[in-house]
Amino acid sequence: AQSVTQLDSHVSVSEGTPVLLRCNYSSSYSPSLFWYVQHPNKGLQLLLKYTSAATLVKGINGFEAEFKKSETSFHLTKPSAHMSDAAEYFCVVRSDDTGFQKLVFGTGTRLLVSP
Amino acid sequence: DGGITQSPKYLFRKEGQNVTLSCEQNLNHDAMYWYRQDPGQGLRLIYYSQIVNDFQKGDIAEGYSVSREKKESFPLTVTSAQKNPTAFYLCASSTRPNQPQHFGDGTRLSIL
Repeated sequence: AQSVTQLDSHVSVSEGTPVLLRCNYSSSYSPSLFWYVQHPNKGLQLLLKYTSAATLVKGINGFEAEFKKSETSFHLTKPSAHMSDAAEYFCVVRSDDTGFQKLVFGTGTRLLVSP
Repeated sequence: DGGITQSPKYLFRKEGQNVTLSCEQNLNHDAMYWYRQDPGQGLRLIYYSQIVNDFQKGDIAEGYSVSREKKESFPLTVTSAQKNPTAFYLCASSTRPNQPQHFGDGTRLSIL
């Protein structure tokens, strides 16, 4: 069965410094992977998705993620954090079931950005 | 603007009551979903509907019920059989099953 592990429950950075949010996945096949962001008391917004095209995926708001099959990783990065990036981030894999393919969510990483 | 509207934003339930959470979308999406979010956990799928007049149980359907009589509406009822209903509930939709999902802003349910 597919699963994702987000390696850090909290990450703290200073404004203007790089962001790295780590995610490892488990999948039998070439997976479809996503990063979503959730601001407090809001729904989730899709940041980016990987669906077996280019391994470096660019998303919204300057975020990008690199798919590394050898490491089973899909880490999310941003060169320079902004205060508005403070939120919870979810790494998600799509199941490879026949028919309906549900989304399997990680437990989330809370990003804290200090001035 | 097109989107997903969940109401109410906050909801309180007394013990033994059923409550219904509303989810409406004007995106013309075929598929709709309900998730439950608890602190420190990811989202868990309650029910999903791939097309109007059809729905399927997700991973944690016990104590919940849904209907899909209209394409744009997918209400979730939390019944008294759900022993731990306090959570944040999120509705989502997609153009078709297995396409990227768009989320509403959620309903926070608490027990009085």
